[in-house]
Amino acid sequence: QKEVEQNSGPLSVPEGAIASLNCTYSDRGSQSFFWYRQYSGKSPELIMFIYSNGDKEDGRFTAQLNKASQYVSLLIRDSQPSDSATYLCAVNGDNNNDMRFGAGTRLTVKP
Amino acid sequence: GAVVSQHPSRVICKSGTSVKIECRSLDFQATTMFWYRQFPKQSLMLMATSNEGSKATYEQGVEKDKFLINHASLTLSTLTVTSAHPEDSSFYICSARVTGGQYFGPGTRLTVT
Repeated sequence: QKEVEQNSGPLSVPEGAIASLNCTYSDRGSQSFFWYRQYSGKSPELIMFIYSNGDKEDGRFTAQLNKASQYVSLLIRDSQPSDSATYLCAVNGDNNNDMRFGAGTRLTVKP
Repeated sequence: GAVVSQHPSRVICKSGTSVKIECRSLDFQATTMFWYRQFPKQSLMLMATSNEGSKATYEQGVEKDKFLINHASLTLSTLTVTSAHPEDSSFYICSARVTGGQYFGPGTRLTVT
């Protein structure tokens, strides 16, 4: 079982819709959770992090964490074509140097 | 967020030569930096963890004698690809961790001809 799992996609949504990206992790002791966006040919860019159970909102982005279910998600409201990218989920364990990345979900927002 | 730079952004070299890639933390000190490699349409692969003042820790399957890492200061780590071959052509990305997340450099695209 992979430590951090994501659906590779591609996930396709129409412009203006809500895109929902999901991630599960295996280490129950994980402490912090991150979402990165990676455009084709570019390096990953940190867009959200969440530490506590519940929702965290930042503009059109909402991160949701459920530690009991070992599940973290990213919602993108009012999706735009410029949101088309690969979204990477990352999880930090007890050891602060132990960040693990999922393989990423490719999102396409169609005009 | 924290700023990490890389140089060069793109390099083309001939097979058998060595290439050095620099990674700098611009506005913070990084005792630990990470080197990743990414092939087209594939996920990030952690190659090694670079520790200031000590030897790097390499992931399984990564040849330490081929990918030399030097973390000589709190703001600079270098990756040298020695005796490069076409199969080493890839996107190399460094990153550093601070409170609140891990930040990536812009990456170096290496092409070995």
